Amino acid sequence: NAGVTQTPKFRILKIGQSMTLQCTQDMNHNYMYWYRQDPGMGLKLIYYSVGAGITDKGEVPNGYNVSRSTTEDFPLRLELAAPSQTSVYFCASSSSSGGYNEQFFGPGTRLTVL
Amino acid sequence: AQKVTQAQTEISVVEKEDVTLDCVYETRDTTYYLFWYKQPPSGELVFLIRRNSFDEQNEISGRYSWNFQKSTSSFNFTITASQVVDSAVYFCALSEAFQGAQKLVFGQGTRLTINP
Repeated sequence: NAGVTQTPKFRILKIGQSMTLQCTQDMNHNYMYWYRQDPGMGLKLIYYSVGAGITDKGEVPNGYNVSRSTTEDFPLRLELAAPSQTSVYFCASSSSSGGYNEQFFGPGTRLTVL
Repeated sequence: AQKVTQAQTEISVVEKEDVTLDCVYETRDTTYYLFWYKQPPSGELVFLIRRNSFDEQNEISGRYSWNFQKSTSSFNFTITASQVVDSAVYFCALSEAFQGAQKLVFGQGTRLTINP
């Protein structure tokens, strides 16, 4: 199992550009999450999904969109990139919503907006 | 609201010393789960341990041990005989039920540097 994979690993965007961060998991997990990690900080939840076709906002959703057409994939879309979106983005998945289930994290995407 | 505080921003010790990373949490839930994750320089997040609120037994795994005390809302992490490979940022996190899913509330992390 590859677990949770993310592409790209690094990306530099100009202000106003858009891009999609890819996330795929091969563990057949229903629950998937997108977090961002700002320098010196913990992770904050951007969006999450409880299954294919169902997504919802987390703590910091502004400037982002997501879709979940399959169980495996959960892409994060940035429209009109801004410097405030410079961050490391982590995708995660878990098998259920129970708090006892650990979330498995991808390796992260480091995004810089200039 | 749930909150996790890791008061130690950075810790630096010499190899073989013991080191304790502090974690204090706030929650109104009676059932909750606490986690520790390790983030090495390569950047990925590595799961270390999960503890539920009903289990206050301390846990030991090799050189790692965790002390959970509900009375002080703390879940501290101790590394015994530290090694250079332990150098990383360590995050404490609290699970929170969030609109049908589970959200992890993270502390800001403690950067641990083990010097040879």
